[in-house]
Amino acid sequence: AQTVTQSQPEMSVQEAETVTLSCTYDTSESDYYLFWYKQPPSRQMILVIRQEAYKQQNATENRFSVNFQKAAKSFSLKISDSQLGDAAMYFCAYRRGLYSGGGADGLTFGKGTHLIIQP
Amino acid sequence: SQTIHQWPATLVQPVGSPLSLECTVEGTSNPNLYWYRQAAGRGLQLLFYSVGIGQISSEVPQNLSASRPQDRQFILSSKKLLLSDSGFYLCAWSVSLRLSETQYFGPGTRLLVL
Repeated sequence: AQTVTQSQPEMSVQEAETVTLSCTYDTSESDYYLFWYKQPPSRQMILVIRQEAYKQQNATENRFSVNFQKAAKSFSLKISDSQLGDAAMYFCAYRRGLYSGGGADGLTFGKGTHLIIQP
Repeated sequence: SQTIHQWPATLVQPVGSPLSLECTVEGTSNPNLYWYRQAAGRGLQLLFYSVGIGQISSEVPQNLSASRPQDRQFILSSKKLLLSDSGFYLCAWSVSLRLSETQYFGPGTRLLVL
């Protein structure tokens, strides 16, 4: 079974600085996808960024980027120029790809990292 | 654009009472639909998913059941609630027949069983 581990229950960063959230995963599949979701106090899950395992290039979305190390099964999220609105729980998630039999698979989530932004 | 709705937003129910949570999606056809539960301070756990009307797959055996009576409607039910059913329930959808299916979440339902 696939597992996702977030080893940092809580992280704190000064506004405008950069922070990196860690995520490792365990899978025997070759086709899969990785995601970072943000959960603000409203508790709605918001997609931050997505990475396809077959792509070597790290995904970026504005101030958010990932460091995808496939051999190490590591998928960290870097937030640049942190803003107060970035304060939230961040969840790393995994799902199998279509070619690994994951046609309608749900997501496997880590336990989350609580990100605090210090003004 | 696609939107996903869940209701009620908050629910307080006594132990042993029935439950019905509803999720509907607008702006898409034949979506894959999912129910997740988030216990306090925990990540999300997949409960059920559905690839079409009447097609339900259960991930975790428990006190809950799901149904999909219409293409864009997904219902989570229980005949008798337990204290352990308390939590935050999220519905999600994804486009079917796509290689990289991102899941998009609804606003969630907070359930407190007393």
